[in-house]
Amino acid sequence: QSVLTQPPSVSGAPGQRITISCTGTSSNIGAGYDVNWYQHLSGRTPKLLIFGNNNRPSGVPDRFSGTKSGTSASLVISGLQADDEADYYCQSYDSSLSGPYVFGTGTKVTV
Amino acid sequence: EVQLAESGGGSVQPGGSLRLSCVASGFTFNSFGMNWVRQAPGKGLEWVAHISLSSSIIYYADSVNGRFTVSRDNAKNSVYLQMNSLRAEDTAVYYCTRAKGGLIYHFDYWGQGAPVTVSS
Repeated sequence: QSVLTQPPSVSGAPGQRITISCTGTSSNIGAGYDVNWYQHLSGRTPKLLIFGNNNRPSGVPDRFSGTKSGTSASLVISGLQADDEADYYCQSYDSSLSGPYVFGTGTKVTV
Repeated sequence: EVQLAESGGGSVQPGGSLRLSCVASGFTFNSFGMNWVRQAPGKGLEWVAHISLSSSIIYYADSVNGRFTVSRDNAKNSVYLQMNSLRAEDTAVYYCTRAKGGLIYHFDYWGQGAPVTVSS
């Protein structure tokens, strides 16, 4: 069981804005460690979407944005499109674990 | 163009061993840490192992610690994952990823994945 909890599913209509939460604890997000987000389309390789809480790699549309506050982080997708339908994962660092890199439980986005 | 190519996946019986390889190209390999991440059927992503650019820092997930060994050969632009005492729950697609950043790495490039099946 991951130390980063995400809702199993989020859905929205085309054009809508959705938010995916990532809830951690005082040993990971709450400790100030950065949060990264990945998109995993079915049958494809996972893709880095957001790094360092709110930075987009080159080529990622500005419809995707990230925020962090306290022990939680969020991924916001604006102007939802059909090809945004995928699994989304947050990822961070946890100082309480011997193996410190952790992914969230994952969220299936349905458009 | 950055590319990561895994090989060595396959089927093995419980208790058996398998060695995954990942060859990198398109970047200065010895300037980056590397990681292995896996996804079991129907499950989410799970981080498995990290090796720093000089192999001086190595971490493992608790689920594989003591059974898996990560290593790298900078002269061959390669990173490896030796998997011993394999269990059914190790069945997954294993991805080789490049780690970028400081302490809080993000995984900016991923290989296509190597499927591993552990079954009798």
